[in-house]
Amino acid sequence: QKEVEQNSGPLSVPEGAIASLNCTYSDRGSQSFFWYRQYSGKSPELIMSIYSNGDKEDGRFTAQLNKASQYVSLLIRDSQPSDSATYLCAVPPAGNNRKLIWGLGTSLAVNP
Amino acid sequence: NAGVMQNPRHLVRRRGQEARLRCSPMKGHSHVYWYRQLPEEGLKFMVYLQKENIIDESGMPKERFSAEFPKEGPSILRIQQVVRGDSAAYFCASSPSTQASSYNSPLHFGNGTRLTVT
Repeated sequence: QKEVEQNSGPLSVPEGAIASLNCTYSDRGSQSFFWYRQYSGKSPELIMSIYSNGDKEDGRFTAQLNKASQYVSLLIRDSQPSDSATYLCAVPPAGNNRKLIWGLGTSLAVNP
Repeated sequence: NAGVMQNPRHLVRRRGQEARLRCSPMKGHSHVYWYRQLPEEGLKFMVYLQKENIIDESGMPKERFSAEFPKEGPSILRIQQVVRGDSAAYFCASSPSTQASSYNSPLHFGNGTRLTVT
């Protein structure tokens, strides 16, 4: 089992729809969770961070964390073509907060 | 307010040559991280440095790769005798020293250096 798993996609949604991106992780001791967005040929850019079970909202983005089930998701409401990118889930292992373990990313395409 | 600066953006080396990748952290940041991204493998942690110290190099290949972050100047990732398998995007990230013990300090990434070994 990979340490951080994501569906590779591509996930295709129409403009204005909700895009739902999922991530599972294997280290039960992990305490913080990050979603990054990466456009093709560019560097990762932090979108959301979440540390507690439940939902965290920031504009059109909502991160959801369920530590018991070891999954974290990212919802993008009112998807825009500019949201088309690869979304990376990153989790530091327990006891080592300086080293992120990354999923392979989910490619999202928002169709106008 | 400059972000993390990496250069060069693109680097082409022949097999057997040396590659030197440079990274200047954001102003006020004294922690530097190097990650490598291969198309089918995703981002992989390589090394974490503070000024003049290597804190965690558990992701560095045992041979040919080295990293430093001197008291003055940028952090350098050095790859000796490059091989085709070293072709990848190398990203540097930094974080502020005041949050060194906090697990919720986000990493700020540079634009990366794309190394091509011919």
